[in-house]
Amino acid sequence: NAGVTQTPKFQVLKTGQSMTLQCAQDMNHNSMYWYRQDPGMGLRLIYYSASEGTTDKGEVPNGYNVSRLNKREFSLRLESAAPSQTSVYFCASWGEPPYNEQFFGPGTRLTVL
Amino acid sequence: SQKIEQNSEALNIQEGKTATLTCNYTNYSPAYLQWYRQDPGRGPVFLLLIRENEKEKRKERLKVTFDTTLKQSLFHITASQPADSATYLCAPLGGYNKLIFGAGTRLAVHP
Repeated sequence: NAGVTQTPKFQVLKTGQSMTLQCAQDMNHNSMYWYRQDPGMGLRLIYYSASEGTTDKGEVPNGYNVSRLNKREFSLRLESAAPSQTSVYFCASWGEPPYNEQFFGPGTRLTVL
Repeated sequence: SQKIEQNSEALNIQEGKTATLTCNYTNYSPAYLQWYRQDPGRGPVFLLLIRENEKEKRKERLKVTFDTTLKQSLFHITASQPADSATYLCAPLGGYNKLIFGAGTRLAVHP
């Protein structure tokens, strides 16, 4: 039981490049989330998916797209990376909101030059 | 807009003492509030959940209170140990299926 896994762990991009962050969970959870974490600002929700086939914008969705590929996988895409997207990105899943916990992946540290 | 405030300054305490962290929220009334621990370079890990009709919740050396009138939650670690050193995040429920996270308070427990 691996929980929530994310790839890659680290990535450096140049401005304008694109990339996809991958996330998978093996807990059979319906809800999945993408957050970014910046110093002094806490975790901010980018997008979430309450169930397979649905996605919704969070607090900071601009510059990002998501795909809920199946129940296990939820990917985050940066089409044209900008330095303002330099951050640590966390994926999380939630089995039965709001009654229990969110499980987080180890994070992806992204630097955009 | 919904806002969460946690002490931005690090809390430094001596081993064996009780650490108390504060979480204040404004502009809404969450039905649930969660606390997470985050170690450097890792994702947050769930600690406790408290409901609006619960004044207090305990788990081993941890205690959380939830005052809906003051719009405040307090998180206590009793008999603190150096291994408790981490950043602690407050996360009230912000709407169906969403948590709103505070920026966290860093706790340092010194031997």
